[in-house]
Amino acid sequence: IQMTQSPSSLSASVGDRVTITCRASQSIGSYLNWYQQKPGKAPKLLIYAASSLQSGVPSRFSGSESGTVFTLTISILQPDDFATYYCQQTYSPPLTFGGGTKVEI
Amino acid sequence: QVQLVQSGAEVEKPGASVKVSCKASGYTFSAYYIHWVRQAPGQGLEWMGRINPKSGDTNYAQNFQGRVTMTRDTSISTAYMELSSLTSDDTAVYYCARSSVVGATLYYFDYWGQGTLVTVSS
Repeated sequence: IQMTQSPSSLSASVGDRVTITCRASQSIGSYLNWYQQKPGKAPKLLIYAASSLQSGVPSRFSGSESGTVFTLTISILQPDDFATYYCQQTYSPPLTFGGGTKVEI
Repeated sequence: QVQLVQSGAEVEKPGASVKVSCKASGYTFSAYYIHWVRQAPGQGLEWMGRINPKSGDTNYAQNFQGRVTMTRDTSISTAYMELSSLTSDDTAVYYCARSSVVGATLYYFDYWGQGTLVTVSS
């Protein structure tokens, strides 16, 4: 299953609303997770099952789905949110990731 | 608290093998799958496969079939990933990750190791 993320990068300012999209090549139900990764660090789980917020993750992060299109939204961008974001499908092996979206200042 | 602690960086020659360990603590090791994910320099994340620590059953990504072996030692709560016939394309950071599940089948990776850099160079 191919996961296509867009955009591959974006520039934004603190306080902006940011939306990242991930499109699956076939139906995957809600088997979609979102991760945040900062340079030199392991990925961190943000959202699982398309829209469930992982414990401890700020509520400005949210996820939604419409068919095979999934969206990660950061409602009010904070300085700590500048990072790369990945989607991942866990519907069937291989558990593929999207190509990533780098959020830059 | 849940922790996954990986072994240190490795430098290997082309054609060699490397074995990376992932020691779990803070939870029941046998109750959660362990996955291995790699990331080449400046690139995205690539899933390599998973092991069920309870049974030892494995699933490998086709890209690594025949070259990767995932094992575990439940007595010390440690998972291992061995990759053979290394080439420069295998230079990457290798991560282990624990997966939790919603219902019976919806997995997500909630804890990750710190990563192990494997460099393949002659």
